[in-house]
Amino acid sequence: NAGVTQTPKFRILKIGQSMTLQCTQDMNHNYMYWYRQDPGMGLKLIYYSVGAGITDKGEVPNGYNVSRSTTEDFPLRLELAAPSQTSVYFCASRRDTNEQFFGPGTRLTVL
Amino acid sequence: AQSVTQPDIHITVSEGASLELRCNYSYGATPYLFWYVQSPGQGLQLLLKYFSGDTLVQGIKGFEAEFKRSQSSFNLRKPSVHWSDAAEYFCAVGGYNNNDMRFGAGTRLTVKP
Repeated sequence: NAGVTQTPKFRILKIGQSMTLQCTQDMNHNYMYWYRQDPGMGLKLIYYSVGAGITDKGEVPNGYNVSRSTTEDFPLRLELAAPSQTSVYFCASRRDTNEQFFGPGTRLTVL
Repeated sequence: AQSVTQPDIHITVSEGASLELRCNYSYGATPYLFWYVQSPGQGLQLLLKYFSGDTLVQGIKGFEAEFKRSQSSFNLRKPSVHWSDAAEYFCAVGGYNNNDMRFGAGTRLTVKP
């Protein structure tokens, strides 16, 4: 199993551009999550999904959108990128237990 | 509201010395508590978790943590630190359905030779 994979690893965007961060898991987990990690701030939940077709907002959803058309994929969409969205983004998944499995992260810079 | 406080931003210990990383939480119901480790450029890896039962839990890599309800704490310990333990450590708290797990700001561990 590859676990949770994320692409790209790094990306630089200009203000106002848009992009999609990809997340795929091959563990057949129902639950998937997107977090952002800012220096000295820990991880904050952006969006989550409890299964295909179901998504919900987390603590910091503004400026982002998600979709969950399959169990495996949970892409995160940034529209109109802003410097405040410069961060490291982590995707995670879990089955029924509370242990979340994390991807390696995407480092995004908005200039 | 649930929250996690890790009072130490950065800790330096000598290799072979003991380690304790502090974690205090605020949670209105029965907490599910976790410690994760993050090596540079990597995702988070679960070290250990506490759901119920014995308040001293053992994890991977020789780590253990003790849940103290009266102090709202879940401190991480290791008797003898190895150079490979240098990383960032995150404490987290959630409920039974942890769709809103909250993380602390992290403690960066440096290990001196």
